[in-house]
Amino acid sequence: DGGITQSPKYLFRKEGQNVTLSCEQNLNHDAMYWYRQDPGQGLRLIYYSQIVNDFQKGDIAEGYSVSREKKESFPLTVTSAQKNPTAFYLCASSGLAGGEHNEQFFGPGTRLTVL
Amino acid sequence: DAKTTQPTSMDCAEGRAANLPCNHSTISGNEYVYWYRQIHSQGPQYIIHGLKNNETNEMASLIITEDRKSSTLILPHATLRDTAVYYCIVRYQGGKLIFGQGTELSVKP
Repeated sequence: DGGITQSPKYLFRKEGQNVTLSCEQNLNHDAMYWYRQDPGQGLRLIYYSQIVNDFQKGDIAEGYSVSREKKESFPLTVTSAQKNPTAFYLCASSGLAGGEHNEQFFGPGTRLTVL
Repeated sequence: DAKTTQPTSMDCAEGRAANLPCNHSTISGNEYVYWYRQIHSQGPQYIIHGLKNNETNEMASLIITEDRKSSTLILPHATLRDTAVYYCIVRYQGGKLIFGQGTELSVKP
C-alpha cells in the first residue's frame, strides 16, 4: 500500500532530551513537510523540503532540526531548545512543489509528551 | 496567502446535506481554494480544490461564487463518519498550506 508512515504513534521523553520522529513515504513524492498541532488549534508549519538534501524553515522552526538524505525519509528532531515540545506532530508529502495538483497527503501523526 | 473565515462549529442531521461556508474576500486571481478535513487525532485528509469553476468528486462538491470571495463545501449525504474539523485554505500554486481553526462539523443521528 502506498502511503506515509510515522512512528511511533505515542512518544514520551524527559525534559532536556532530544528526540527524533520518523516519517517515511513510498508515494515517490518530492516534497515533504512537518507540522505541529496544539489542542484546539490548526496546523503550523515547522520545516519543509522540496528536494533531497534541501530544506527550508517554516513558521515555527526554532528548537527543531531536520534532514533529507533520502527522498523517502524526512526525520524531525525535537531538541532540548524547544521550550514547549508537547504537541501532535504531523508529517505530509506532496508531488513536485509548484504544481497545481500537489495536494498534501498526511501521515497518522505522533503525539509527543514531555514529562 | 489570503485569510479565510469559517464558522467555528456546525451541526448536521445524518443523511442530510452538510453545507460548510468559507469567506475569502481577499483572494487573488491565481489563488486556489482547498478543503481538507481532520478526524479527531488523525492526520488531515484532502477533500477537493478549485480555482473558478464548481468542482465535484466522490467525496464532496465545491461551489465557488462568481466573484470568488466565498465558497461552500457540500457533503451531499452526511454520515456519522463525516464528523470532523473542516479546513478551508486558499493558496497560490505551489504555495504553503496555512491551516486556520476550521469548522467543527458534528453529524448527529
